[in-house]
Amino acid sequence: ETGVTQSPTHLIKTRGQQVTLRCSSQSGHNTVSWYQQALGQGPQFIFQYYREEENGRGNFPPRFSGLQFPNYSSELNVNALELDDSALYLCASSPGQGTDTQYFGPGTRLTVL
Amino acid sequence: AQSVAQPEDQVNVAEGNPLTVKCTYSVSGNPYLFWYVQYPNRGLQFLLKYITGDNLVKGSYGFEAEFNKSQTSFHLKKPSALVSDSALYFCAVRGRNQGGKLIFGQGTELSVKP
Repeated sequence: ETGVTQSPTHLIKTRGQQVTLRCSSQSGHNTVSWYQQALGQGPQFIFQYYREEENGRGNFPPRFSGLQFPNYSSELNVNALELDDSALYLCASSPGQGTDTQYFGPGTRLTVL
Repeated sequence: AQSVAQPEDQVNVAEGNPLTVKCTYSVSGNPYLFWYVQYPNRGLQFLLKYITGDNLVKGSYGFEAEFNKSQTSFHLKKPSALVSDSALYFCAVRGRNQGGKLIFGQGTELSVKP
């Protein structure tokens, strides 16, 4: 196990609702990245936070937003949920940037009905 | 555009035989390369990475990967497959000026039969 935890494990929402997913990074890690993994696909980068600042963003609309707290835990917020938002959301933490390996949590399975 | 290709959706091998899972990439400059494994309903587990230096990288659980710059490939290998190696394998690349963004391939399902 990596020491990265995510909550909740599973979540069911309806279209138009808002959702918040949470991630606790591994001890000593100050960088958190979020990925979306649709069924049968590889993970897609959403954004990264380094020391509470957004440090890069993938091709996702503004209704995907995030936050990192002083203890380096992080939240992913998605507004106005769409059916295509149904996916496994993965959080990864790393000791820093650059060459550092990203260690993934178990993910949150979001289903949008 | 930067991309990663895993040309085989599925690889089947017999237990005890060598295995290879292929990965090619298209990234400008000298990228960082990674392999991860995913078991059903689980997150990704890190196997190994190439940053610089020796082209043959050794990782967890007996896996290794060979970086070939001229062929822009980073194939995952293991000399003797185990049934427990059956899982979904992802190759990922990060450009040297891309911050923390990992670009993943679509994954290869490895099935090892007894």
